Amino acid sequence: GQSLEQPSEVTAVEGAIVQINCTYQTSGFYGLSWYQQHDGGAPTFLSYNALDGLEETGRFSSFLSRSDSYGYLLLQELQMKDSASYFCAAPNQAGTALIFGKGTTLSVSS
Amino acid sequence: KAGVTQTPRYLIKTRGQQVTLSCSPISGHRSVSWYQQTPGQGLQFLFEYFSETQRNKGNFPGRFSGRQFSNSRSEMNVSTLELGDSALYLCASSPVGTANLKAFFGQGTRLTVV
Repeated sequence: GQSLEQPSEVTAVEGAIVQINCTYQTSGFYGLSWYQQHDGGAPTFLSYNALDGLEETGRFSSFLSRSDSYGYLLLQELQMKDSASYFCAAPNQAGTALIFGKGTTLSVSS
Repeated sequence: KAGVTQTPRYLIKTRGQQVTLSCSPISGHRSVSWYQQTPGQGLQFLFEYFSETQRNKGNFPGRFSGRQFSNSRSEMNVSTLELGDSALYLCASSPVGTANLKAFFGQGTRLTVV
């Protein structure tokens, strides 16, 4: 089987840095991707890592360690608009389906 | 480039009816996937199509079906609707060569079964 585990909730204040972790169990591995979803909206692609290391996209960065079956999404200079659910996801063994974690709800307060 | 387009955005159906949802992927994307999202179950994979072939199907009953056309547009159909089918149905398209790691979602169709 395939599973991805991430914390259910994270809280932080404006301007802070927050890290959302994701551990996975897969048979075969192509990489890890991250999505943001605001209430009532659709998931939006943020970042992906096919190889180990850090990928930076503006205020968001994503990290992958395949040897540890672990990745994280790092959000810097938090803003109120970053309050949303964040999902990690990984393809199945054949690369024909994206399996999602249950999501982390991030609440940013002032 | 236009994004993924799903129609309709909202639907209200009665138990026992059937429904067809439509998805137009980003131009050039040949992979189209469908997901069901509910508060309790999160994002559940329904099926994936590539070049008109279903490559994978999630753990859903046979009432859920889909197809993809030669222009990569896709439809999914749910027959004999049940109350539990009420959900947000999301379609995503992915570029070739990414193993679906980069998925771009449409706004979804919110289906309510009464």
